[in-house]
Amino acid sequence: AQKVTQAQTEISVVEKEDVTLDCVYETRDTTYYLFWYKQPPSGELVFLIRRNSFDEQNEISGRYSWNFQKSTSSFNFTITASQVVDSAVYFCALKFKGGSEKLVFGKGTKLTVNP
Amino acid sequence: DTEVTQTPKHLVMGMTNKKSLKCEQHMGHRAMYWYKQKAKKPPELMFVYSYEKLSINESVPSRFSPECPNSSLLNLHLHALQPEDSALYLCASSQDVQVAEAFFGQGTRLTVV
Repeated sequence: AQKVTQAQTEISVVEKEDVTLDCVYETRDTTYYLFWYKQPPSGELVFLIRRNSFDEQNEISGRYSWNFQKSTSSFNFTITASQVVDSAVYFCALKFKGGSEKLVFGKGTKLTVNP
Repeated sequence: DTEVTQTPKHLVMGMTNKKSLKCEQHMGHRAMYWYKQKAKKPPELMFVYSYEKLSINESVPSRFSPECPNSSLLNLHLHALQPEDSALYLCASSQDVQVAEAFFGQGTRLTVV
């Protein structure tokens, strides 16, 4: 079964705090792809990152960083020095090769950054 | 340019109306998608078009009818909807259906009265 679990439903932090959003996935496939999307109140899902199953290198993009660990089936997302504009719902998603064109989404984590 | 444009942004329709949602992308993507999103839920896949052919229909009721006139356009025709169909309808496109990330439009907020 393909499944994505985002155990944190809502997180609230104060501006400039660091925050980590957890994502745990399940898949039987050896080749798969993981994604993070941001959905601000406007509704659009904004693509943040794609990670291939064979590439465990962590990635940093400005204040954003991602920690991919196959041993624990996790793909966590950290925002450093959070800002009010980071307030959004964040979705982790999984796609597996050779099976389906479907993106399997987690339930999302709502992040509120307070000034 | 990673833009997917959806029109209209908001739509209110009666249960006997016929309306259409439109989606356009100019990124040369060959896969296009319709998703439905209810409040506080993740998006749910409705349809997938690959190279202008319908490749997935996730058992969507026939009152929703997709159309892909060309590789840049995707429509969703709506007829005899129910109030429970009220939701955010998101269009997305990707370079291919297997690997590539999907880029989403801002969505159409549909209210059925």
